[in-house]
Amino acid sequence: QVQLQESGPGLVTPSGTLSLTCAVSGGSISSDYWWSWVRQPPGKGLEWIGEIYLSGSTKYNPSLKSRVTISIDKSKNQFSLKLSSVTAADTAVFFCASGSDYTWNTWGQGTLVTVSS
Amino acid sequence: QSALTQPASVSGSPGQSITISCTGTSSDVGGYNYVSWYQQHPGKAPKLMISDVSNRPSGVSHRFSGSKSGYTASLTISGLQAEDEADYYCSSYTSSSSYVFGTGTTVTVL
Repeated sequence: QVQLQESGPGLVTPSGTLSLTCAVSGGSISSDYWWSWVRQPPGKGLEWIGEIYLSGSTKYNPSLKSRVTISIDKSKNQFSLKLSSVTAADTAVFFCASGSDYTWNTWGQGTLVTVSS
Repeated sequence: QSALTQPASVSGSPGQSITISCTGTSSDVGGYNYVSWYQQHPGKAPKLMISDVSNRPSGVSHRFSGSKSGYTASLTISGLQAEDEADYYCSSYTSSSSYVFGTGTTVTVL
């Protein structure tokens, strides 16, 4: 049973870059899954950010595409998210998730990232 | 891409059935049978309840079922229980090779 755990700074300054990592345990990141990031602003709904396949192929939310980079590190069994030029509107709980066939059946517990000076 | 439209709230008494709708366009819900439903309790991660419109993953109660007609997908919870009180989100694959979530529905068990 694959398990996911997000990690990274809980506070990021405006105009900076948000960086998070998702550690994969109980399975290999080289499995036939898409590895995704989803965020949820406090008290609001879910928003898909993007995903990466083991080949390195990526898909991004068109509204965030210019600011997002998702990468994969097979040697560390983890994948990462970078979101640049952040503002207060990027404050959210960030979840990593995995799945196949257009759905996500495994989720991390989520990590709150606050954008503030 | 705009969020899929869900009712803000739905309520029902224990034992009753409720249905949550999820309305999109021909570019998402109407164009693909890749609609999923997620349950989220406060402070917790979402949990997959339905995939591919109507497939129920192993371990999910048979009281949960999904369907789709045209641009609208639906999640039905039968035999409503107190533990079903949560937020529910639909999601769909889109013609932009991306995904969009619904606006979310809060289910209240009266």
